Amino acid sequence: EVQLVESGGDVVQPGGSMRLSCAASGFTFRNYWMSWVRQAPGKGLEWVANIKEDGSEKYYDDSVQGRFTISRDNAKNSLFLQMNSLRHEDTAVYYCARDISWGQGTQVTVSS
Amino acid sequence: DIYMTQSPSTLSASVGDRVTIACRASRNITHWVAWYQQKPGKAPKALIYEASGLVSGVPSRFSGSGSGTEFTLTINNLQPDDFATYYCQEYSRNFGQGTRVEVK
Repeated sequence: EVQLVESGGDVVQPGGSMRLSCAASGFTFRNYWMSWVRQAPGKGLEWVANIKEDGSEKYYDDSVQGRFTISRDNAKNSLFLQMNSLRHEDTAVYYCARDISWGQGTQVTVSS
Repeated sequence: DIYMTQSPSTLSASVGDRVTIACRASRNITHWVAWYQQKPGKAPKALIYEASGLVSGVPSRFSGSGSGTEFTLTINNLQPDDFATYYCQEYSRNFGQGTRVEVK
C-alpha cells in the first residue's frame, strides 16, 4: 500500500524559509515522478512542483519558480520541498503526491 | 502549460440524481486525467485514474469518460455521501477549478 507522510509544516514570518519532507513507503520510490500540491484556505488545489525519478528534471508553477526547490533522496525514500522568501499567499496545506496517491498534508502558515 | 477548465463551478442536485461534471484541457492530453473528491478538512480522494479507470474501493456509481481534450465525471444515483467538491487533474500537473456539488 502506498504511504506518503508529510512533515515540517509550521508558522513562519514573511521572507522566511521552511523545508518540507515526505516519507514514502509501500512502493519502489526511485521508479516514480513525485509532486507537491498545495491548497490555500478556502481555495482549490494548486500543483506546485514535480521531479523526475532520478531528480534530473524538475518543474515548478510560476508562482513558486525561483523561490521553491524540489529534491529527493532515493536512498532514503524521501521527497523534499525547500521554500524560501515565503509570502502570505504561500499559506496552505501542502501535499506530497505520487500519481493519484496523496499524503494527508502538512500545514504551512506565513504570518507576522 | 496545459490548462484545465472545469464546469460548472457549482451544481445543485438531489439524492438519486445523475450528475455530470465536465473538464476541458487546453491541449490534447490523451487519457492522462484523474478525478478527485474532497470534503472539508480532508485530503482529496482519488476516484478515477487515466480518464476512465475506477480506483479500487470507489463505488461503481462513479464513472469517467473522454479522451484528448474533453473529459467527464458522472455520478449516477447521487448519494448523501457524494455532496462534496470534485476536481479534475492532468496527471501530476494542473487542476481544474473544482465543482461543488450541493444539496438542491
